[in-house]
Amino acid sequence: AQSVAQPEDQVNVAEGNPLTVKCTYSVSGNPYLFWYVQYPNRGLQFLLKYITGDNLVKGSYGFEAEFNKSQTSFHLKKPSALVSDSALYFCAVRDIPGTASKLTFGTGTRLQVTL
Amino acid sequence: GAVVSQHPSWVICKSGTSVKIECRSLDFQATTMFWYRQFPKQSLMLMATSNEGSKATYEQGVEKDKFLINHASLTLSTLTVTSAHPEDSSFYICSARDGRTGWTEAFFGQGTRLTVV
Repeated sequence: AQSVAQPEDQVNVAEGNPLTVKCTYSVSGNPYLFWYVQYPNRGLQFLLKYITGDNLVKGSYGFEAEFNKSQTSFHLKKPSALVSDSALYFCAVRDIPGTASKLTFGTGTRLQVTL
Repeated sequence: GAVVSQHPSWVICKSGTSVKIECRSLDFQATTMFWYRQFPKQSLMLMATSNEGSKATYEQGVEKDKFLINHASLTLSTLTVTSAHPEDSSFYICSARDGRTGWTEAFFGQGTRLTVV
């Protein structure tokens, strides 16, 4: 069974500082990894994904994530946080590249960026 | 990215009535749609997976007779909450993916907040 862990319920960072939101995963095969962001009372917006290739993946809004196979991690990063980045962030994994394979989500990390 | 439209955004209904939520893929064909439920300050719980033209596959513990899912076309799936009760109040989110194009990510609707009174 696949699983995702987001060890931090909340991350606080000052605007302009770098941010990291942590994610570790467990799958039986090769993982497909995703980050999504959710604003209040909204669905999820896709940020970025890792399927194969370069371990550093760049996504929307200046976010990037680094795939580390040995540590089974896929941490989300941004060099300089904005107040508008404040939201709920979900890491997700899929290990079966079939059309109906399911995403497993982490519990989410609330990012709070302050002035 | 692709657009998934979910309607309504919010609905209030009386206990015992049924509510239908629609999920449409606007600019792609959704071979697979997923329905999730999200409780306050919690992650998404997958309720069911549906492939176009087939019966939905429900996750363990989800009552298929209560949460009716129809995926009759490649652009529309519906979730009907039958005989709703206050404990069904929640945020429901759909997502869709076109498995034929090799897309690996799913795209999500805006969500529907259901309140049963």
